[in-house]
Amino acid sequence: NAGVTQTPKFRVLKTGQSMTLLCAQDMNHEYMYWYRQDPGMGLRLIHYSVGEGTTAKGEVPDGYNVSRLKKQNFLLGLESAAPSQTSVYFCASRPTGPKETQYFGPGTRLLVL
Amino acid sequence: TQLLEQSPQFLSIQEGENLTVYCNSSSVFSSLQWYRQEPGEGPVLLVTVVTGGEVKKLKRLTFQFGDARKDSSLHITAAQPGDTGLYLCAGVRYTGNQFYFGTGTSLTVIP
Repeated sequence: NAGVTQTPKFRVLKTGQSMTLLCAQDMNHEYMYWYRQDPGMGLRLIHYSVGEGTTAKGEVPDGYNVSRLKKQNFLLGLESAAPSQTSVYFCASRPTGPKETQYFGPGTRLLVL
Repeated sequence: TQLLEQSPQFLSIQEGENLTVYCNSSSVFSSLQWYRQEPGEGPVLLVTVVTGGEVKKLKRLTFQFGDARKDSSLHITAAQPGDTGLYLCAGVRYTGNQFYFGTGTSLTVIP
């Protein structure tokens, strides 16, 4: 099993450009999450999904959109990138139940110039 | 303002010393998790505590969940260089499916 994979690993964007980050999991998990990690702030939840076809907003959803068309994939989109979106983005998945382990991907480092 | 505050933010100690990391909130959580993250990787779960007052031990690491379910601590005995990393707490509230992460504690253990 590959676990949770993220594509791409690193990307540089210019302000105003758009891009999509892909998260894939092969563990048949219902829940998937997108976080951003900035120095001194831990991880902050952007959007999450509790199952195929569902999405919900997290703590910092502005400027991002998501889609969960297939159970194994969770896409994070930036329609018009801003320098404030420079960050490391992590995807995670977990089985049903709040006490279950979250499994994280290796992260995508995004730089917006 | 984040829901979970960790202290200290940075900690640099000599090998063999003991240390405690704190995770505090004014909110109540149904469960709380501790993760360790190494540079360039995603966080990896260390433990989940679910009962107020619960204490869990993982080799030299001791985790405690506060009686009121608002705080937690991580104590490391005789720290080793392999303990170096970013330690994150994360809580789940009774209402919802979100994990709220703490601000993180960066630990460096010097040989």
